[in-house]
Amino acid sequence: ETGVTQTPRHLVMGMTNKKSLKCEQHLGHNAMYWYKQSAKKPLELMFVYNFKEQTENNSVPSRFSPECPNSSHLFLHLHTLQPEDSALYLCASSQESQRNIQYFGAGTRLSVL
Amino acid sequence: GENVEQHPSTLSVQEGDSAVIKCTYSDSASNYFPWYKQELGKRPQLIIDIRSNVGEKKDQRIAVTLNKTAKHFSLHITETQPEDSAVYFCAASTPGNTPLVFGKGTRLSVIA
Repeated sequence: ETGVTQTPRHLVMGMTNKKSLKCEQHLGHNAMYWYKQSAKKPLELMFVYNFKEQTENNSVPSRFSPECPNSSHLFLHLHTLQPEDSALYLCASSQESQRNIQYFGAGTRLSVL
Repeated sequence: GENVEQHPSTLSVQEGDSAVIKCTYSDSASNYFPWYKQELGKRPQLIIDIRSNVGEKKDQRIAVTLNKTAKHFSLHITETQPEDSAVYFCAASTPGNTPLVFGKGTRLSVIA
């Protein structure tokens, strides 16, 4: 699949579990983003990585831990989440020089029980 | 920082009618305004965008208008079809290669 691929598409986890979300982009981009999409709320930017370096962390709780091993892969490690963290988590990528033109993955629907 | 308000949150129209979604932004320096369409269970996809040096842009049945003085921009969909049913997001960004700030989204339902 070309573009931005996210796995898994759906995830159910308990509050004590540890899981990871994966994002991979095949567009040759060098900036990657994590967004949280909750019902009736704007897309919330969580993290931004440029050339594997984290450049933004929008006051995200430490129970969310991002990792960017290279420009094509982005992970979001989850531990001790809360039910209110249930949401659609979207990954996006862009060229660093054009951060306003982003391509999104299909998202991971996360449910925290 | 930038704040984007989007209205309405839900919109139902009859097939063939027009739909209009409006957004306002707070930062007068914003210069790029994209619109994304997200169908149920699918990724947000860019459908049209406009830059601050243009007042209107059209692509087939979709058009976007920008009023810089009033700091608002709108999405217009004419001759709506059931496949237009989706959530539409507006966004804005300022110069300096900043990330997008999104509106809350509008759920459009086109009734056949």
